[in-house]
Order: sequence, then C-alpha cells, then structure tokens
Amino acid sequence: GAGVSQSPSNKVTEKGKDVELRCDPISGHTALYWYRQRLGQGLEFLIYFQGNSAPDKSGLPSDRFSAERTGESVSTLTIQRTQQEDSAVYLCASSLGGAESYDREQYFGPGTRLTVT
Amino acid sequence: AQKVTQAQTEISVVEKEDVTLDCVYETRDTTYYLFWYKQPPSGELVFLIRRNSFDEQNEISGRYSWNFQKSTSSFNFTITASQVVDSAVYFCALSESDYNQGGKLIFGQGTELSVKP
Repeated sequence: GAGVSQSPSNKVTEKGKDVELRCDPISGHTALYWYRQRLGQGLEFLIYFQGNSAPDKSGLPSDRFSAERTGESVSTLTIQRTQQEDSAVYLCASSLGGAESYDREQYFGPGTRLTVT
Repeated sequence: AQKVTQAQTEISVVEKEDVTLDCVYETRDTTYYLFWYKQPPSGELVFLIRRNSFDEQNEISGRYSWNFQKSTSSFNFTITASQVVDSAVYFCALSESDYNQGGKLIFGQGTELSVKP
C-alpha cells in the first residue's frame, strides 16, 4: 500500500516568508507526528496528533510554528516569518495506534527539505 | 527525564565483518518501547524493530539481531556479515507510555555505519 507522502520535497524560501508543508499519512493510521532534522543531527519531535486533536505540542520551537490535521487524514505544518535557523528536513510519520496501543511503530515520509535564504 | 545515547558517532568496517551498534536509554517509566531505524543515503527513515519493555527476549531477523538488557538499560543492534548496502545512519529511539505524548519518539544522535568493500 501507499506509504507516507510529503510535499513539497524541497522548498527554498526567503527569510520572513511563510511556508506550508503537507503530510499525507498511511490510510487508517490514527496517529501522526512531525519531526525536524537539522543537518548532521538527530531528529527532534515537534507535534503529535491523535485524530485531529493535538495532545502534545511541546516540541514546537516557537509560536511561529503551527500545525493542523483534518480528521485522520492530511496534516499541514506552517512556519510563519521563516528564519535561517528553520532550515532543516521536516519529517512526518504516522502509526496505526498512539498512546494506548502497542502498534506504535512510526512509518516516515521522505521529508521536506526547507532552505531559508 | 528520557534520553537515548548512541555513543558511537561513526563506525567503519570492511564487508563481512560483524558490527554492533550500542544504544543506552534513560526513562522513569516502567512501560516503554524501544526502536531502531535505518536512514540510508537516500534519506528516508526505515523502521527495523520495536521492542516492548516487558519483553526481554532477544530477536534475530536474518543478519540482524538485537540484544535488550533491562539491567543495563541497553538495546544493542548487531549486523552479522555486514554488506555495503548496510551503510547508513542508524537511530535508536525510545517511546514512553505517557498518554498525552502518544508514541512520541526520543531519538539518539545516530551512528553512521560505513561498510567498505
């Protein structure tokens, strides 16, 4: 079946502009996650959705970052007034279950490489 | 506080050698989950294994094996008879049982494995 898809694959934007990143999870997966991977570094958690609610937004770096999810489907991550330190690969993942499930292995999309100039 | 440590930043081996990637974790939860992911040069994270804290049985899958030791808080990964295609960055990750965090993954910094022909 289809895996997690993300668009765009690459985005170059000027400092100060807003960007929107999209994630399509695996069909039937109730949990969705956003992570960020800076060059040569590990992955840092940004936000978790169970259905269309976001119980954990603790990883969002600042109020310039926001995310929403439509039902158990598409999610968008929005970064307003982008800064150079926002340059990174943004990864989306989905899992069949969330907090109350053993089926919590996450399947990742290919990522969106964001470059802020 | 939860934390995952992969002390080996880079490992280089010659094809057919065995190699072990170390992972040490910290958590206060009694129920938790451990994972290994592979990130090849193409960039997409690939799920390898999930281990639940209440299941200390070691696992073997082909050339891959995992050794989970609760007593030392370690979850090490061994590749037997390594191949060039095993070259990648490998991440160990931890997920706790906090309901509001869902299956949020805490990643180690990764170990870059280079297998030379």
